[in-house]
Amino acid sequence: SQTIHQWPATLVQPVGSPLSLECTVEGTSNPNLYWYRQAAGRGLQLLFYSVGIGQISSEVPQNLSASRPQDRQFILSSKKLLLSDSGFYLCAWSVLGASSYEQYFGPGTRLTVT
Amino acid sequence: SQQGEEDPQALSIQEGENATMNCSYKTSINNLQWYRQNSGRGLVHLILIRSNEREKHSGRLRVTLDTSKKSSSLLITASRAADTASYFCATALASGNTGKLIFGQGTTLQVKP
Repeated sequence: SQTIHQWPATLVQPVGSPLSLECTVEGTSNPNLYWYRQAAGRGLQLLFYSVGIGQISSEVPQNLSASRPQDRQFILSSKKLLLSDSGFYLCAWSVLGASSYEQYFGPGTRLTVT
Repeated sequence: SQQGEEDPQALSIQEGENATMNCSYKTSINNLQWYRQNSGRGLVHLILIRSNEREKHSGRLRVTLDTSKKSSSLLITASRAADTASYFCATALASGNTGKLIFGQGTTLQVKP
C-alpha cells in the first residue's frame, strides 16, 4: 500500500533563517506531487506541483521554492523565511495520468516563523 | 478568484442529526471531490463525483452535483461526534490535464454528543 511521509511535524524558525521540508511517498511510482499551504481556519493554497523528476510548476510567486531530486521525494525550501511563511504545509500525491486526480495527503508540517 | 466556495463556513448540530454542506464553483469541471480534515491533520478523500453523475452514495455520505448551477452538496446522515472535522470540496477542471485540484475554504462541522 502507498504511504506518504512528511517531516518534521512541527517547526519553529526565526525570520531570515532557511527552511527545508521533506516529503516522500512509498508504494507508488511516477506520482504527481503537490505542496500546499493552509492558513489557520482556511482552505488550501497550491504552492507547487510536479509531474516528474526536476519538473516543478509554481502556482504563486513567493519566498519559497520546490525541488524533486528523486521520483518519490519532494522538497520545499526557502533561503530566508518571512513571518508570512507561517502556516500548515501539506504534501500530497496523485496517480500520474489518472483522470480522477484524487489526492492523498501527508500528515502536514506546522511551521511557525518568529 | 476562488473556484470553490463553501457554505456554511461553520455548522453545529446534535449527534444523530443530518449535516448538509454546499459547494459552488465557477468553471467547467471534470469531477468534484470532498475531503475531510481532522484538526491539525492532513486531508482524507471521502468521495468523488464525476461531471456526468448527479448523485453518489458512500455509507452515510450522499453527494449531489448540479452542473447547470455549478454546485454540489454533501449530506452526512445520522451524524456522530467523530464526524466533527472540516470538510472541503475540490474541483478538477475540465480543461487541461495537470492533475491539479482547486479547494474551497471549507465548512467546519461540530457534532455535539
